[in-house]
Amino acid sequence: GAVVSQHPSRVICKSGTSVKIECRSLDFQATTMFWYRQFPKQSLMLMATSNEGSKATYEQGVEKDKFLINHASLTLSTLTVTSAHPEDSSFYICSAKRDLSVYEQYFGPGTRLTVT
Amino acid sequence: AQSVTQLGSHVSVSEGALVLLRCNYSSSVPPYLFWYVQYPNQGLQLLLKYTTGATLVKGINGFEAEFKKSETSFHLTKPSAHMSDAAEYFCAVSEQWNTGNQFYFGTGTSLTVIP
Repeated sequence: GAVVSQHPSRVICKSGTSVKIECRSLDFQATTMFWYRQFPKQSLMLMATSNEGSKATYEQGVEKDKFLINHASLTLSTLTVTSAHPEDSSFYICSAKRDLSVYEQYFGPGTRLTVT
Repeated sequence: AQSVTQLGSHVSVSEGALVLLRCNYSSSVPPYLFWYVQYPNQGLQLLLKYTTGATLVKGINGFEAEFKKSETSFHLTKPSAHMSDAAEYFCAVSEQWNTGNQFYFGTGTSLTVIP
């Protein structure tokens, strides 16, 4: 159990367009989801914490108007990169925390975004 | 905030040799500790975790790690490296008292296995 999926796995978009990435908990309810960004050969950087039914909490330096996060249900959170630019190209990973687990996060497989 | 240090961004071992990947954390209160492995263009796979209890934790693929409070360390080991172990390894901590359960990741260690 505790499977997290992401869609799409890879996306290429043109500069100036927006792209939406979905994160789903497939077999459990996730009250909290996290979005991370990973540059090549680097660690994961937390972008925001998303709680179902409330506004996301963004980390310092992350533009909330550029990276829109919606956690509309207990199994789905979305990250929309608005007006994407080449510097937004990165690997985006989501994770989800289970209700009954006080510590563990379950990670999705990641989405590779390339902005041309 | 927590800080997680992984000594050695690149580690190379021969196939069959001991694997030792180092992780130190900064908290004075023992956190929850995790090791994850990441293969190219994939997400993170949990290798093992420490929350409470026995300080020597066994994980998947023959890996284990020992929590040493006095050294604030959680080093990852495997007695005999396989070619398939070549990957990026991340140590992470989560503070027990932090209900937000934010994870703090180390910078990662790239493991190369030499045939």
